[in-house]
Amino acid sequence: AQSVTQPDIHITVSEGASLELRCNYSYGATPYLFWYVQSPGQGLQLLLKYFSGDTLVQGIKGFEAEFKRSQSSFNLRKPSVHWSDAAEYFCAVGITSGGSYIPTFGRGTSLIVHP
Amino acid sequence: NAGVTQTPKFRVLKTGQSMTLLCAQDMNHEYMYWYRQDPGMGLRLIHYSVGEGTTAKGEVPDGYNVSRLKKQNFLLGLESAAPSQTSVYFCASRLHVGATNEKLFFGSGTQLSVL
Repeated sequence: AQSVTQPDIHITVSEGASLELRCNYSYGATPYLFWYVQSPGQGLQLLLKYFSGDTLVQGIKGFEAEFKRSQSSFNLRKPSVHWSDAAEYFCAVGITSGGSYIPTFGRGTSLIVHP
Repeated sequence: NAGVTQTPKFRVLKTGQSMTLLCAQDMNHEYMYWYRQDPGMGLRLIHYSVGEGTTAKGEVPDGYNVSRLKKQNFLLGLESAAPSQTSVYFCASRLHVGATNEKLFFGSGTQLSVL
């Protein structure tokens, strides 16, 4: 079965520092790959996605992610973190199983930003 | 255009009580999903639907039932609530028009406590 692993439960960074959130997936082929962000008490918002082509994808709010097939990874990065980036971040994969599209999420990484 | 609307936003139940969570989308989406979110567990798929009149089980379907009688509505039912069903429930919908437009639209969630 497909799975998504986010190895870091919490990440703490100082405002202005760079950020990298890790994501690994397990699936036979390259699935659709996503990063979503969830602010406290809110639903999930799409940051960026990858389907094919250029392995470095740009998203909203200054985020980017790089797909590395050899490592089955899709890590999220931001060069300079703002206090408003504090939130829960979810990596997700979308695969087709039995003719149905099934989005599967990782357990999430909580980002804490220190002033 | 309201997007995805979940009702109610909060609910407290006693063990053994029943209730129905309503998810409504006004975007004419085919796919709809119910997830539950628990601390450290990410989002886990309960049930999903690929179109009006169809439903299927996800990763954690036990104790829940669903119905999709109308395309715009996806109902999640708890027949006999248990404390283990205390969670935040999210509904999402998906428009199936190809990779470039691929994303999930989330509701704002329902916080359910079962005492």
